[in-house]
Amino acid sequence: GAVVSQHPSWVICKSGTSVKIECRSLDFQATTMFWYRQFPKQSLMLMATSNEGSKATYEQGVEKDKFLINHASLTLSTLTVTSAHPEDSSFYICSARGRTGTSGLNEQFFGPGTRLTVL
Amino acid sequence: QQQVKQSPQSLIVQKGGISIINCAYENTAFDYFPWYQQFPGKGPALLIAIRPDVSEKKEGRFTISFNKSAKQFSLHIMDSQPGDSATYFCAAKLGSGNTGKLIFGQGTTLQVKP
Repeated sequence: GAVVSQHPSWVICKSGTSVKIECRSLDFQATTMFWYRQFPKQSLMLMATSNEGSKATYEQGVEKDKFLINHASLTLSTLTVTSAHPEDSSFYICSARGRTGTSGLNEQFFGPGTRLTVL
Repeated sequence: QQQVKQSPQSLIVQKGGISIINCAYENTAFDYFPWYQQFPGKGPALLIAIRPDVSEKKEGRFTISFNKSAKQFSLHIMDSQPGDSATYFCAAKLGSGNTGKLIFGQGTTLQVKP
């Protein structure tokens, strides 16, 4: 299957600082990228959807100014958690959809996730 | 209406047995139903997926059964192995083509005992 990478895999930061997480589709062009948040032993919660070159669409209840998403190219999307606080500590997972060599447009591939801990 | 309800929450199966996880939905606009496997600390990996015009799809030890009239679909893992121990999520895609989004079930933690 297609490969999606995330960097960093884990990050610890102080309260009030900003953290940027990168998501890359390594072997296909991702026309749409998604950002999810997952708390321990819970399901994935969609935060936002972004298409290359356009503004992200945020899910209800997700603060746009707190979680900045940029989908600069067909292989790169970034999530910046601004002024992070302990309650932002979570597992953030990106996902990408696009036409790969074998998949159709429905298939969605996930990155390995980024563990954010805010002290 | 956008929910996907998954059961059971947890499942324990003996090695070699069949693991069965069920999902139900209400919205008939869903047009794609994937299953994901997630190990602790990792991202979900796509296992198998089905479209609503097909009643069953099999890939290796994994089979999806789909009942359109009942709005239910299930994952069967045949000859379950300890390495299958993970959390499984069903999902349903809402919205057409490339713009649709996945709605996830609550997840099932599977433990396969040796």
